[in-house]
Amino acid sequence: DAKTTQPTSMDCAEGRAANLPCNHSTISGNEYVYWYRQIHSQGPQYIIHGLKNNETNEMASLIITEDRKSSTLILPHATLRDTAVYYCTLYGGSQGNLIFGKGTKLSVKP
Amino acid sequence: DGGITQSPKYLFRKEGQNVTLSCEQNLNHDAMYWYRQDPGQGLRLIYYSQIVNDFQKGDIAEGYSVSREKKESFPLTVTSAQKNPTAFYLCASMFARGNQPQHFGDGTRLSIL
Repeated sequence: DAKTTQPTSMDCAEGRAANLPCNHSTISGNEYVYWYRQIHSQGPQYIIHGLKNNETNEMASLIITEDRKSSTLILPHATLRDTAVYYCTLYGGSQGNLIFGKGTKLSVKP
Repeated sequence: DGGITQSPKYLFRKEGQNVTLSCEQNLNHDAMYWYRQDPGQGLRLIYYSQIVNDFQKGDIAEGYSVSREKKESFPLTVTSAQKNPTAFYLCASMFARGNQPQHFGDGTRLSIL
């Protein structure tokens, strides 16, 4: 079973920020939070990951709460090409397999 | 360019037939993975390998087999024992140590004739 919980779907207006939440209340101390996205019929694409500090790269920002039980992926200026299923997953760096839930289907609308 | 190549993109299987899906990576990654994705669902782990000549079963290994004879290659065979093989199959790879992301191929869509 997935260790993360995400809303099934979200809408966002083009040009606005998209904030995608993820709950991971049973996260272990050594587990990182990873975000991927999957555009229809393609392989998942890595977006960002973090342990406990907020992270930012050219694609997105990741905000992790102080207790690490939840996080939010922020796409600062969503475009139509950001329409995809977004997966939040955890990885501890040892066993090597990620557990993917059903993700959040983000629809960016003009 | 470095990356993961899956082939073929589409594959059809007849009843009772074994088929093999190819996955090759030139990223020098140690670990490789096979996932299955059904419509509207997340990814489920079939098999993974963290080193050459060694592999482990994932959550849904029944009806599948793999080999890891070379670091770059991790083929998946869907055997006739897999009664519901129609799905989208994804291969991924990553460095075995540290916290680096998995890289995915573009998938193979398998259907039953």
